[in-house]
Amino acid sequence: GAGVSQSPSNKVTEKGKDVELRCDPISGHTALYWYRQSLGQGLEFLIYFQGNSAPDKSGLPSDRFSAERTGGSVSTLTIQRTQQEDSAVYLCASSLGGLAGDNEQFFGPGTRLTVL
Amino acid sequence: LAKTTQPISMDSYEGQEVNITCSHNNIATNDYITWYQQFPSQGPRFIIQGYKTKVTNEVASLFIPADRKSSTLSLPRVSLSDTAVYYCLVGDRNYGGSQGNLIFGKGTKLSVKP
Repeated sequence: GAGVSQSPSNKVTEKGKDVELRCDPISGHTALYWYRQSLGQGLEFLIYFQGNSAPDKSGLPSDRFSAERTGGSVSTLTIQRTQQEDSAVYLCASSLGGLAGDNEQFFGPGTRLTVL
Repeated sequence: LAKTTQPISMDSYEGQEVNITCSHNNIATNDYITWYQQFPSQGPRFIIQGYKTKVTNEVASLFIPADRKSSTLSLPRVSLSDTAVYYCLVGDRNYGGSQGNLIFGKGTKLSVKP
C-alpha cells in the first residue's frame, strides 16, 4: 500500500473488555513500531518488531498488553481487560531498516481507543 | 540513551524564521539527530536528519555545532500550516541501533500566528 494503515480508526469499549488493534506497514519495511499518545502528551514507545521478532518488550505498560507480528507484515496490539487509563491514540509506524540504517519512521493515522 | 531537552512551546508569526533548539549533552559518537513534525490528529512525519554541521532539505535546515551537544531546527518563513509539535530524537544509525530513535518526548509546540 501507499502508507501505513491502521484499523479500526476509532474504538469505543467498556472497561474490562479485550481489544485488538491492527497495523499494516508499508510493504517491504522490516521494522514496525507501536506507540501510545494520551491527550496532549508526547508519544510513549511500546514495542518494536524487527521482522517477526520483538527484541525488547519492556516498553509495554503492563502484562495486559501484548503484540505480535506475522509474516513480517501485519501486526496486532492486544489489550486485555481494558482500563480507563488505556484510553489514548495508538500509533503504528514502520521503517525500512529498523533501528539501524535507514530508520525514518512512517506513521499511520492511529487508532483512537476510548474505554468507558 | 542520549536525553534530549526542548522548549515546551514557541510562538511565531507568519513569514518569520523559526529556530527550535534541542539539547543532547550525552550524545554518543554513533548517534544521529532526527526531527519529526506532528500535526493535530495525525502521526508524526520525518522532517530532517543529520550527524554534524549543516543539513538542508526542501522543508528545513538542521544546524549541529562541532561538539554536537545541541542542534537547531530552522524553519524558514513559517506559515500558519507550520503550527505543529516538533520532536527531536537522538539515536544510533549503526548496526545494533539504539532505542534513542524511539524516544519522542513531549516535543516543542510551535504556534504560528497571522
